[in-house]
Amino acid sequence: EVHLVESGGDLVQPGGSLRLSCAASGFIFKQYAMTWVRQAPGKGLEWVSTISRDGRDTYDADSVKGRFTISRDNSNNTLYLQVNSLRAEDTAVYYCAKDLASTMTSFGSDHWGQGTLVTVSS
Amino acid sequence: EIVLTQSPGTLSVSPGESVTLSCRASQSVSSSFLAWYQQRPGQAPRLIIFGASFRATGISDRFSGSGSGTDFTLTISRLEPQDFAVYYCQQYGSTPVIFGQGTRLEIK
Repeated sequence: EVHLVESGGDLVQPGGSLRLSCAASGFIFKQYAMTWVRQAPGKGLEWVSTISRDGRDTYDADSVKGRFTISRDNSNNTLYLQVNSLRAEDTAVYYCAKDLASTMTSFGSDHWGQGTLVTVSS
Repeated sequence: EIVLTQSPGTLSVSPGESVTLSCRASQSVSSSFLAWYQQRPGQAPRLIIFGASFRATGISDRFSGSGSGTDFTLTISRLEPQDFAVYYCQQYGSTPVIFGQGTRLEIK
């Protein structure tokens, strides 16, 4: 069974940084692209970043480009999101999600973690 | 950038009825890379439909997706209590990946 567990969310001041982690199990991690999606309180879903299976290719939403960095450690089955220069509008639950396809980066997600909350406030 | 518009925003229906949710794209969605997700309160999203019409693993055949190009629908037949949730469409054929704003399905 696929299992994704996010961690690292916290209350942080504007301009601060965090590193979010997503521990994956139940599938061959290195065979799937991975994605971060966020959801502000009471709002809809927003795609944040996607990383290819080998980590060489990354894709970011314009809203986070230059501030957030997605990465992965295939030897430890872990996905990361380094979030810097945080703003109030980055306050959200951050979900990690597994790609639909094993042969390419499809950008669709078939399994999601339960999320980790990032709150940006002074 | 593709914009996805879901309608209606909220739908009030009774258990046992059937509903059709709409998702309209501002431009053609590549290769029908259109997905639907269900999100119950306090839970993570769950994939229902991918590729516009393919049910995800473990999803009841009461859920069906259709459409191509710019117009897509999700139909849920014989509504059960656990179906009342928010539904999001998503285009994943190109970046940026875009979600619709959601349709809330509530019990009448």
